Amino acid sequence: ETGVTQTPRHLVMGMTNKKSLKCEQHLGHNAMYWYKQSAKKPLELMFVYSLEERVENNSVPSRFSPECPNSSHLFLHLHTLQPEDSALYLCASSQGQVNEQFFGPGTRLTVL
Amino acid sequence: KNQVEQSPQSLIILEGKNCTLQCNYTVSPFSNLRWYKQDTGRGPVSLTIMTFSENTKSNGRYTATLDADTKQSSLHITASQLSDSASYICVVTPGGGSNYKLTFGKGTLLTVNP
Repeated sequence: ETGVTQTPRHLVMGMTNKKSLKCEQHLGHNAMYWYKQSAKKPLELMFVYSLEERVENNSVPSRFSPECPNSSHLFLHLHTLQPEDSALYLCASSQGQVNEQFFGPGTRLTVL
Repeated sequence: KNQVEQSPQSLIILEGKNCTLQCNYTVSPFSNLRWYKQDTGRGPVSLTIMTFSENTKSNGRYTATLDADTKQSSLHITASQLSDSASYICVVTPGGGSNYKLTFGKGTLLTVNP
């Protein structure tokens, strides 16, 4: 595997379910990001981790809970989501926070 | 408020034709501007990066321009191919301490038809 990978690629869940999105980067980067991409809206930054420490929590509801166990892995834990949370969730990584961010393919999430 | 506006929202052209996509931004202070290509079902991939002092930069059939005075950028695609069908997103990196807080445009959806 190269670059930034995300699993699963597609996820359908009910509002009472608990699920997790996984992101893994194989680029040796030290910063990782979660973004939400909704139809006809710009990408929205959700969380930023630098050197495994959270440096940004962009007013995201508590039903989204990130976890960064090491510099290569990032998780987004989901619980009691709402239908409006349906979107493409993109993970990205970069070397330092000032350099180019490399994106994964995303997880298409549908909340019923 | 930092914003990036792109036009047109969507564009349909025939294979082999040229096209130009526009981006206006209000981000300040400014560090750099990137154009990303996002294929359907994939994450965005950077095409070009331009800093304050750069006016033009090319990457194959893609040529980006930047006018830092008017805060405008364009992406010109020459001799379009079917594989150019994608969303093109303009992204501005702010200067100062919050470099990771990128401002994204909504993108221009380009369709290249045979």
